[in-house]
Amino acid sequence: SQTIHQWPATLVQPVGSPLSLECTVEGTSNPNLYWYRQAAGRGLQLLFYSVGIGQISSEVPQNLSASRPQDRQFILSSKKLLLSDSGFYLCAWEGAPRNIQYFGAGTRLSVL
Amino acid sequence: EDKVVQSPLSLVVHEGDTVTLNCSYEVTNFRSLLWYKQEKKAPTFLFMLTSSGIEKKSGRLSSILDKKELFSILNITATQTGDSAVYLCAVCNSGGSNYKLTFGKGTLLTVNP
Repeated sequence: SQTIHQWPATLVQPVGSPLSLECTVEGTSNPNLYWYRQAAGRGLQLLFYSVGIGQISSEVPQNLSASRPQDRQFILSSKKLLLSDSGFYLCAWEGAPRNIQYFGAGTRLSVL
Repeated sequence: EDKVVQSPLSLVVHEGDTVTLNCSYEVTNFRSLLWYKQEKKAPTFLFMLTSSGIEKKSGRLSSILDKKELFSILNITATQTGDSAVYLCAVCNSGGSNYKLTFGKGTLLTVNP
């Protein structure tokens, strides 16, 4: 069966520090992968999606970037965090039937 | 721009009550509508609806889609405290080689004993 791993679960970082969040999927090949951010009291906002290795599409201009170095690995990064980057970050993969996205446990990021 | 509006934003009920959560949408190239339940962390998938008028059911939860009026409802009967969660509605836009989900803000359901 397929599983998705996301870490760390929580992270407290100072403003201006770098960020790296990792997401890996097991039990499937060539999945579509997604990064979302969920601010308090708001729905999920799509940040990036990837349909294959090295293929990244950005949905909103921002301080973050994403990379997909391997088929089942998706990384969210920043060189210098801003206060506004605080939030709950979720990674998802798209399974079968298509359209259904399955989420990792999420990372709660606090930028202080 | 695709849009999903959920109502109410929050709801408090007692165990045993029946609740109806609403989701209306505007989307180009509609493909499907999905419901998720989010407790503390990851949203978990509940239903995917693609056709009007066909009820999806899982235990005490059921959902139906109206593609003419552009809305869906999620019903929960005989609520339990374990149903307390944020319920998210999302619509899928079939654009290109991937399918994008647009989420509503969610309905926070609190079930008191």
